[in-house]
Amino acid sequence: AQSVTQLDSHVSVSEGTPVLLRCNYSSSYSPSLFWYVQHPNKGLQLLLKYTSAATLVKGINGFEAEFKKSETSFHLTKPSAHMSDAAEYFCVVSSSGTYKYIFGTGTRLKVLA
Amino acid sequence: KAGVTQTPRYLIKTRGQQVTLSCSPISGHRSVSWYQQTPGQGLQFLFEYFSETQRNKGNFPGRFSGRQFSNSRSEMNVSTLELGDSALYLCASSLNPTAGGGEKLFFGSGTQLSVL
Repeated sequence: AQSVTQLDSHVSVSEGTPVLLRCNYSSSYSPSLFWYVQHPNKGLQLLLKYTSAATLVKGINGFEAEFKKSETSFHLTKPSAHMSDAAEYFCVVSSSGTYKYIFGTGTRLKVLA
Repeated sequence: KAGVTQTPRYLIKTRGQQVTLSCSPISGHRSVSWYQQTPGQGLQFLFEYFSETQRNKGNFPGRFSGRQFSNSRSEMNVSTLELGDSALYLCASSLNPTAGGGEKLFFGSGTQLSVL
């Protein structure tokens, strides 16, 4: 069975400071992991994905995530937050043979001026 | 290339009615999946279609159904609407789905359904 847990429902950071959004996963098979972002009244956009090629994954807009198998984690980071990063972020897991993507409950990121 | 198109953008229905939502995937994409998004439950997987075949289904009652046409366009239908069906329904398409589960999903903007 697969599951994903986003450890924080809300995160607030000041503009220019680092961002850390935490995600733990559970999967019976080798997982594929994703981070998606959703801006208000918009669909979801892929930030990055991990599919076993490299444990440190770089995405769009300066985001990156590190896959840590021993900790079953896939945390999303960005060195310096921008106002435009304010949105909801979803961690997603998918496993071989399921054609199914399991979404976390989301983390709403607020960026303070 | 046009993105994933969902119609209509907004819908208002009353309890007991039925509704049909439409999704046109990106040209060339053969997999379409549907998700329900609510503030309380987050994003939940409804079903996935590939080449007109449903390959996987989430834990929703039989009132929720879908289909995919030969041109990959998909529809989902909800019969006997309940207040709890009020949600944003998102459709996603992908290019070349395999059993690997690592395909990138492209999402539409969703259909906001309100059941009164």
